[in-house]
Amino acid sequence: AQSVTQLGSHVSVSEGALVLLRCNYSSSVPPYLFWYVQYPNQGLQLLLKYTSAATLVKGINGFEAEFKKSETSFHLTKPSAHMSDAAEYFCAVSDVNFGNEKLTFGTGTRLTIIP
Amino acid sequence: EAGVAQSPRYKIIEKRQSVAFWCNPISGHATLYWYQQILGQGPKLLIQFQNNGVVDDSQLPKDRFSAERLKGVDSTLKIQPAKLEDSAVYLCASSPTVSSGIYEQYFGPGTRLTVT
Repeated sequence: AQSVTQLGSHVSVSEGALVLLRCNYSSSVPPYLFWYVQYPNQGLQLLLKYTSAATLVKGINGFEAEFKKSETSFHLTKPSAHMSDAAEYFCAVSDVNFGNEKLTFGTGTRLTIIP
Repeated sequence: EAGVAQSPRYKIIEKRQSVAFWCNPISGHATLYWYQQILGQGPKLLIQFQNNGVVDDSQLPKDRFSAERLKGVDSTLKIQPAKLEDSAVYLCASSPTVSSGIYEQYFGPGTRLTVT
């Protein structure tokens, strides 16, 4: 079964500092990987996705993630944090390769931005 | 393009009562999902529909939860009777078919259920 592990349930960074949210995956086949963001009282919004094309994936709001097969990682980064980035971030894996779009989510990382 | 609509947004019920949630997916999306998100956890898939057929309901507690997607469009999720541990946000999502190559699920705002 596929799974993802998010290291750190809470991350705090200063405004303007680098944001790094960690995600490691477990999959028996080449995975499709996603990062979603959830603002308070809202649904999830897709930030970016890896679907076996370029290993460095750029998403919305200045976020990007790099797929590293050797490390089984898909960490999310942003060079300079903004107050509006405060939210909960979820990494997810899908076995789309077999025609099934089921997403398995990590437990989430709450990002706090310090003014 | 209108997003995924869900109602109600909030619901408070007592244990052993029944409750129903409604979801209207994005027009033309063949696949519809219901997720349960317990506080502090990631969403967990309850059931997946492809048009009006069930693709995966392996994690749906079938003794109390039921879902249907009539005519392959909107869907309802029902809980009867509710338990305290059902308190969660219930998210609906939809996506085009896998053959579209889009591989993205679009989420609604969710229904926050509190069981007292």
